[in-house]
Amino acid sequence: DAKTTQPPSMDCAEGRAANLPCNHSTISGNEYVYWYRQIHSQGPQYIIHGLKNNETNEMASLIITEDRKSSTLILPHATLRDTAVYYCIPQSLNNNDMRFGAGTRLTVKP
Amino acid sequence: DTEVTQTPKHLVMGMTNKKSLKCEQHMGHRAMYWYKQKAKKPPELMFVYSYEKLSINESVPSRFSPECPNSSLLNLHLHALQPEDSALYLCASSQGEGTGYSQPQHFGDGTRLSIL
Repeated sequence: DAKTTQPPSMDCAEGRAANLPCNHSTISGNEYVYWYRQIHSQGPQYIIHGLKNNETNEMASLIITEDRKSSTLILPHATLRDTAVYYCIPQSLNNNDMRFGAGTRLTVKP
Repeated sequence: DTEVTQTPKHLVMGMTNKKSLKCEQHMGHRAMYWYKQKAKKPPELMFVYSYEKLSINESVPSRFSPECPNSSLLNLHLHALQPEDSALYLCASSQGEGTGYSQPQHFGDGTRLSIL
């Protein structure tokens, strides 16, 4: 399984974009990059995933570098409810054993 | 509201008790998971069931016994637990292998377990 490196914590002002980086330099060719978040006292919540191309959904955008060694999750207009721990997790198509790293604790401040 | 329902939300038990955690999903998913999460730590995978068969056991002590009676239900039977087993126990589900496309896991909000 690919290892990931994320900053332990980040702050963001409410209404501004939050850009959360993840390094996954050992990712293999068949591994997708998944992002989940965990708000306090809740289970993890799926946000977005991608393989090579950039992706966007109603929650966020995912930018994956061309060499696939890193990615950035973008929350375009952060709100206080986006305060959570964000996890970047490489996951292959045929494996269902997902391993969480330490994640980034994002705090959105008024 | 989550689509994966876990009961009970909280459980306090003694070290000699036997109890069970329950997880239910009605999304037609064929893979189900148990995770353990200690305070301020990431979730750790415990067990994976794929098509009602145990496919992964992450060397979990035998005092934790999983059971998947059907494709919608997942149980975790607890017996003779230790204080260090106090944690949040999360259940998740996903569509399962062989769909041909990558799919996310859907999590419940967990059972917070305290061992006295």
